[in-house]
Amino acid sequence: DAKTTQPTSMDCAEGRAANLPCNHSTISGNEYVYWYRQIHSQGPQYIIHGLKNNETNEMASLIITEDRKSSTLILPHATLRDTAVYYCIGLTGGTSYGKLTFGQGTILTVHP
Amino acid sequence: DTGVSQNPRHKITKRGQNVTFRCDPISEHNRLYWYRQTLGQGPEFLTYFQNEAQLEKSRLLSDRFSAERPKGSFSTLEIQRTEQGDSAMYLCASSLGGTVTDTQYFGPGTRLTVL
Repeated sequence: DAKTTQPTSMDCAEGRAANLPCNHSTISGNEYVYWYRQIHSQGPQYIIHGLKNNETNEMASLIITEDRKSSTLILPHATLRDTAVYYCIGLTGGTSYGKLTFGQGTILTVHP
Repeated sequence: DTGVSQNPRHKITKRGQNVTFRCDPISEHNRLYWYRQTLGQGPEFLTYFQNEAQLEKSRLLSDRFSAERPKGSFSTLEIQRTEQGDSAMYLCASSLGGTVTDTQYFGPGTRLTVL
């Protein structure tokens, strides 16, 4: 699975969009980009995943560049409860299982 | 609540004691994973079950660690002769399996403190 690179930390004002970047230049053709977040002292929470098309759900949007070497997670209207560590993970698709390899993630702080 | 549950949520033990944690996956999820997370680090994979079969174990899982999933439903993780280095959050995740993308859903974790 691809190694991912994320900024160590980011800040965002409450109510504004939070845009979290992730580089995955070695991603392979059948490898999905997954995003999880972890609020302090809780288990990781699944946010969204995608292969090559942009994806949107009730939590966030995922924008994947055409060459698939990077992606951006967008939280459209960040709230204080979105303060968390955000992990970008590459995971090969298919019916075989996939163990998630977490990096250091991005600490997102949403401030009033 | 139909999510992944873990018990206990917190465990404090003395070095050398044995501890056992339980994970109840989401109903009908046939894949179950254990991860460990130390302070300031992301979770690290420990082991994986497909139904009752343990199909992979990380090198992190020393001989003192054993995991079971006897009927393909709940799972237990036992640590024998605990050491201070075992202090961590132990996370369980489950997934449906058999699909092109297989999203893992995590439980709240069990925080172990070894004194």
